[in-house]
Amino acid sequence: GNSVTQMEGPVTLSEEAFLTINCTYTATGYPSLFWYVQYPGEGLQLLLKATKADDKGSNKGFEATYRKETTSFHLEKGSVQVSDSAVYFCALIEGGANNLFFGTGTRLTVIP
Amino acid sequence: GAGVSQTPSNKVTEKGKYVELRCDPISGHTALYWYRQSLGQGPEFLIYFQGTGAADDSGLPNDRFFAVRPEGSVSTLKIQRTERGDSAVYLCASSPARDTEAFFGQGTRLTVV
Repeated sequence: GNSVTQMEGPVTLSEEAFLTINCTYTATGYPSLFWYVQYPGEGLQLLLKATKADDKGSNKGFEATYRKETTSFHLEKGSVQVSDSAVYFCALIEGGANNLFFGTGTRLTVIP
Repeated sequence: GAGVSQTPSNKVTEKGKYVELRCDPISGHTALYWYRQSLGQGPEFLIYFQGTGAADDSGLPNDRFFAVRPEGSVSTLKIQRTERGDSAVYLCASSPARDTEAFFGQGTRLTVV
């Protein structure tokens, strides 16, 4: 079956610190991988995605690389800002499937 | 509208009552999804519509849950005989087609007391 395991939070960082949120997955086929973000009071938004092995998704200074050999899609940012405070969800969808499988989410708080 | 709209934003109901949750997808999006997000968890898939038909309802937890999309646009999620365990945020998402980026609404927070 499909599953997504992501780093438990909450994570608290100082502004300009380096961020890593780990995500590993289990899938029967070759999924596409996503990071979604939920800012306070807002709906889920797609942050970045990668559709095949070794692809790197990037957006707003965040990056994640699809690693088939380690079944991972870790989220990184070199220098976080207070405005990055949010809940981050790793997710996958199998090719031909109808729905996303989400991890449990990681709450990030960035303090000035 | 500009995005996916869900109403109401909050709903408190008594155990055993019937509730309806509404989703207005982005205009022209043929694919529509319902997810449920319990506290501290990621969203869990409930049902997927392609046009008017429920193409995949494998995520509905039991027969108290039902959803419709009669004209291929607005969708309503219906829950009968609500239970306290149904308390969660119900999310709706739409996309231009299956396998393309899904855009989520802000959700309806359902509380069963």
